[in-house]
Amino acid sequence: NAGVTQTPKFQVLKTGQSMTLQCAQDMNHEYMSWYRQDPGMGLRLIHYSVGAGITDQGEVPNGYNVSRSTTEDFPLRLLSAAPSQTSVYFCASRAAGANVLTFGAGSRLTVL
Amino acid sequence: AQSVAQPEDQVNVAEGNPLTVKCTYSVSGNPYLFWYVQYPNRGLQFLLKYITGDNLVKGSYGFEAEFNKSQTSFHLKKPSALVSDSALYFCAVRAFTGGGNKLTFGTGTQLKVEL
Repeated sequence: NAGVTQTPKFQVLKTGQSMTLQCAQDMNHEYMSWYRQDPGMGLRLIHYSVGAGITDQGEVPNGYNVSRSTTEDFPLRLLSAAPSQTSVYFCASRAAGANVLTFGAGSRLTVL
Repeated sequence: AQSVAQPEDQVNVAEGNPLTVKCTYSVSGNPYLFWYVQYPNRGLQFLLKYITGDNLVKGSYGFEAEFNKSQTSFHLKKPSALVSDSALYFCAVRAFTGGGNKLTFGTGTQLKVEL
């Protein structure tokens, strides 16, 4: 049972480049979410999804896009990377009606 | 809007001594409250939660937390700290009703347990 899998673990981008952070879970969880972690700011919610075909914005959605075409996958897209998006990104999921999130190991992104 | 405050960036404690990591919250209505722990270069792991019922909740690795509604606090405690408890601890809150699916985290408290 792999849980929540994030790829890549590390990525360096130049300003203006685009990329996709991948997140996959094998627990059949309906709810999936993306957080970013920055020093002194804790974790902030970027986007979340309560099921396939349904997404919504979190606290800091600007500069990020998401889609949820399947229950298993919830990719996070940066269309034009900026240095302010340098951060560690975490994907997390939970079953509908459950309260506890299962987190991936994180993806460290540096934008130069 | 819901929020969480962890007033201490770092807590230092000697091994074998009791530890407390503080958390206060603000939310409309009754809260769901959580503690998560993050070890270096890892994702967050669930420690314990308060949903309803007994104000003292027990979790993994000997940790416990006490829900205090009047003080809007949910402090994490352990009677005897271990060096292996050294990690980053996050408190989080979600509204019991009307909170949608948004879990709000505090800024984290670095716990350092020394020999």
